[in-house]
Amino acid sequence: AQTVTQSQPEMSVQEAETVTLSCTYDTSESDYYLFWYKQPPSRQMILVIRQEAYKQQNATENRFSVNFQKAAKSFSLKISDSQLGDAAMYFCAYTAAGNKLTFGGGTRVLVKP
Amino acid sequence: NAGVTQTPKFRILKIGQSMTLQCAQDMNHNYMYWYRQDPGMGLKLIYYSVGAGITDKGEVPNGYNVSRSTTEDFPLRLELAAPSQTSVYFCASSYSGTSGLGSTGELFFGEGSRLTVL
Repeated sequence: AQTVTQSQPEMSVQEAETVTLSCTYDTSESDYYLFWYKQPPSRQMILVIRQEAYKQQNATENRFSVNFQKAAKSFSLKISDSQLGDAAMYFCAYTAAGNKLTFGGGTRVLVKP
Repeated sequence: NAGVTQTPKFRILKIGQSMTLQCAQDMNHNYMYWYRQDPGMGLKLIYYSVGAGITDKGEVPNGYNVSRSTTEDFPLRLELAAPSQTSVYFCASSYSGTSGLGSTGELFFGEGSRLTVL
C-alpha cells in the first residue's frame, strides 16, 4: 500500500520569510500525481499545488513551489514571502489510481507577525 | 456555485443510534469520496464512488455504508454509532483527467461534518 509521510508536525515561520515543508512517499508506480492541500482553521480543504510525476519541471503557483525528486520519492513545498493567511495545516497527498488519494499526517504552519 | 454541500455541520449521537450524513455536488463530477479526520491526524478514506451505482471501500469502511443512486448525491450511513466514530467527516468530489489515470485527484471538499458519539 502506498504511504505518505510528513515528518514535521509543526513549522514556524516569520512573516515575509520562507518555509519548506517535507513530504516523502512510497510507491512502485511510475505514473502518479502528488498534491499539497491546505486546511485553514475553517476546516475546508483547498488545493494548493499539483505535480504530475511524468513532468520533470517543478510546479509553481504564485508564492508556492515544490521540489519534486522522483528518484528519492520526495515532494517538498516551499512557501515564499509567508503571509498571516498561510497559517494552516498542510497535507501532502498522492494518487496513482486516480480514484483514491492517500494523505500524509499533516504539518501545522504557524506564521509569526 | 455551491460546489460540495454537506449536512449537517454538527451532530451529537448516542451510542447505538444511526444517522445519515448527506453530501451533494453540483459540478457533475463522477468521482465522490467520504473521508474522516480524527483530531490532529490526516484524512482516511472511508468509501468512494466512481459513478452512479458504483461504490467501493476505502481504508476504514467498517461501521459505514454508502449509496450512489445519482451523480449528485453520495450519502454516508452510520449504523449503530460508536465512540470510535467521533470525528470530522469530509465529502469530496473530483473529475476525470485526460491522462488515463481516471480522476485527476484534484478534490473539491465540503466544509465537513463534526460528529460526536457519546
